Amino acid sequence: EDKVVQSPLSLVVHEGDTVTLNCSYEVTNFRSLLWYKQEKKAPTFLFMLTSSGIEKKSGRLSNILDKKELSSILNITATQTGDSAIYLCAPSGGYQKVTFGTGTKLQVIP
Amino acid sequence: DAGITQSPRHKVTETGTPVTLRCHQTENHRYMYWYRQDPGHGLRLIHYSYGVKDTDKGEVSDGYSVSRSKTEDFLLTLESATSSQTSVYFCAISDVDRINYGYTFGSGTRLTVV
Repeated sequence: EDKVVQSPLSLVVHEGDTVTLNCSYEVTNFRSLLWYKQEKKAPTFLFMLTSSGIEKKSGRLSNILDKKELSSILNITATQTGDSAIYLCAPSGGYQKVTFGTGTKLQVIP
Repeated sequence: DAGITQSPRHKVTETGTPVTLRCHQTENHRYMYWYRQDPGHGLRLIHYSYGVKDTDKGEVSDGYSVSRSKTEDFLLTLESATSSQTSVYFCAISDVDRINYGYTFGSGTRLTVV
C-alpha cells in the first residue's frame, strides 16, 4: 500500500520566518511528486518534481526531491500571512495513482 | 476554478437516499477524478475516468458509482447514502499534454448525510 507522511502536522510562525515542510513517501512505480496548496477551498498546484537533487523555485517557495531517501522538502522563505494554508504532498505512480498526504497546516501570524 | 465546476456546492440528504454530484469541465481534458477529503485522511480517490465511458475504481469506491457519457461531464452517485459518506467531495481534471501542471480541482461539494 502506498504511503505518504508529512511533517510537521501543523506549525505557527511569524511573518518573515522561513519554514521547511517535509514529505516522506513509499509509492510503487514512483514517477513524480506534486505539491499543492489548499486554502479554504480546492487545492491549487504548486510544483511537480521528477528528478532528484534539482531544486525548483517559484518566488519565495522552493522544492527539492530526494529519490534515494524517498522524500521531498518544501521551503518557504520570508513567510507572509497569505502563505497560511494546508500544504499537500502527493507522490504519483501514474495518472490514477496519486496518493495525497494529510498535509501540513501552516499558520503565519503578523 | 476556471474550467471546472461542481454542483451542488452544498447538500444535506437523508440516510438511504441516492445522491448524484456533478462535475463539468470546459478544458477538454481526458482524465477526470473524484476524491473525498476527510480530517485525518487527506484526499482519497473514489473513481476516475480516462475517457468517455472509460472509468475505474479508486481506493474508496465502495458505495459509489460513476458515469461519463460526455468528455465534459463526470457524475458521482452515492447509491444509498450513509453517514460515513459525509465529506467534502472534489472533482479534478488532468491531461497528458499538461502533466507538468498537475491536477486542476473543482471548488468542492460539501455533503452531509443525516
